[in-house]
Amino acid sequence: GESVGLHLPTLSVQEGDNSIINCAYSNSASDYFIWYKQESGKGPQFIIDIRSNMDKRQGQRVTVLLNKTVKHLSLQIAATQPGDSAVYFCAETDNYGQNFVFGPGTRLSVLP
Amino acid sequence: DVKVTQSSRYLVKRTGEKVFLECVQDMDHENMFWYRQDPGLGLRLIYFSYDVKMKEKGDIPEGYSVSREKKERFSLILESASTNQTSMYLCASSLVLAGENANTGELFFGEGSRLTVL
Repeated sequence: GESVGLHLPTLSVQEGDNSIINCAYSNSASDYFIWYKQESGKGPQFIIDIRSNMDKRQGQRVTVLLNKTVKHLSLQIAATQPGDSAVYFCAETDNYGQNFVFGPGTRLSVLP
Repeated sequence: DVKVTQSSRYLVKRTGEKVFLECVQDMDHENMFWYRQDPGLGLRLIYFSYDVKMKEKGDIPEGYSVSREKKERFSLILESASTNQTSMYLCASSLVLAGENANTGELFFGEGSRLTVL
């Protein structure tokens, strides 16, 4: 079936460096994409989203890039901080917000 | 501040017991979901509901049932808990997206209920 996947299960970065977390999706009909952050023992938290009619969206220290040609989604975190250490996963859905497909997640570790 | 509240953060039950997991959202969302999250398997959909008294099976509905009597509340029921149902259970809710100009289709999650079945 359709799926969303991540290229790397773990990522370690030095504090202050930029982080890039990647996601591949296979459903070209997906309309909406979200990045979530999940800290240990907590529920996933929304970071940033992007609609399929956009290719870039920026938030505070985070940027999401969408390349529909190769069905690739990435999350860029600028000046990574210790508090950014968590599991990050992407999600895609259709226009009804009912059928969400999630990637397995990437664990980001920030080194001092 | 928007909120999805799950009634229990941690539960320990015995095999064969009936388990109720309650979830309440205060955002007037139409859609509500129950997922389980297991290491290496990610989030898997158990059931979802798009309206009061409506429910749809997800990817792994076996051994579970749900109830949605009110718009804000979505309950997950394990009629007879088994050890392979030990997991983290996540409730979520979302608005129905309304075309390209909709502001968001964000899925809001609760903090999770970690169930251990002995």
